[in-house]
Amino acid sequence: QLHLQESGPGLVKPSGTLSLTCTVSGASIGDSNYYWGWIRQPPGKGLKWIGSMSYTGTTYYSPSLKSRVTISLDTSKNQFSLKLNSVTAADTAVYYCARVVVDGGYGSPINHWGRGTLVTVSS
Amino acid sequence: DIVMTQSPLSLPVTPGEPASISCRSSQSLLHGNGINYLDWYVQKPGQSPQVLIYLGSNRASGVPDRFSGSGSGTDFTLKITRVEAEDVGVYYCMQALQIPLTFGGGTKVEIK
Repeated sequence: QLHLQESGPGLVKPSGTLSLTCTVSGASIGDSNYYWGWIRQPPGKGLKWIGSMSYTGTTYYSPSLKSRVTISLDTSKNQFSLKLNSVTAADTAVYYCARVVVDGGYGSPINHWGRGTLVTVSS
Repeated sequence: DIVMTQSPLSLPVTPGEPASISCRSSQSLLHGNGINYLDWYVQKPGQSPQVLIYLGSNRASGVPDRFSGSGSGTDFTLKITRVEAEDVGVYYCMQALQIPLTFGGGTKVEIK
């Protein structure tokens, strides 16, 4: 059974770097049928797509975050990660890692989500 | 960015009655391949979102057949034929045609 688990610091200082890891069990991130991505949800608000990556290295990032974000895969550990630089309070959110079906486009649907982890940006 | 607009914002429903949520996009989501790149998700209280409908009208695995998706171009609808208590949550549409993928603001379905 597929399981995605986010891990990382729950508190990051302003101007610092948010770093999260998603550990995948029950499937291989080297599977060419899927992208691996991140979505976030500020407290009490809606969903915002951050970006996704395939095992071949193809990455798609939200243009509004592109200058600050990096998604990478570690196939040896079956993990993928998110790094977001120069964070501010506006980056406070629940961060979800997810698996996205490759559909010939940018991916649809997001067919499996982690439970999410709250990251707060505060001094 | 493609802007996704959902209505209503809140939807009180009576169990056993039908419900309908509208989603409109600022640009057509109909690809040249004939597929509408529009998905529907539900986020039940305290849970992660889960997919209900993908590529316009395809029900995801395990989703009850009381859920259906329809529409094309810029206008889409999620219908629940008979609402059950377990259907409470926030429903989101999402376009997957163009980067960045964008979500609607959500429709909160609650039991009357």
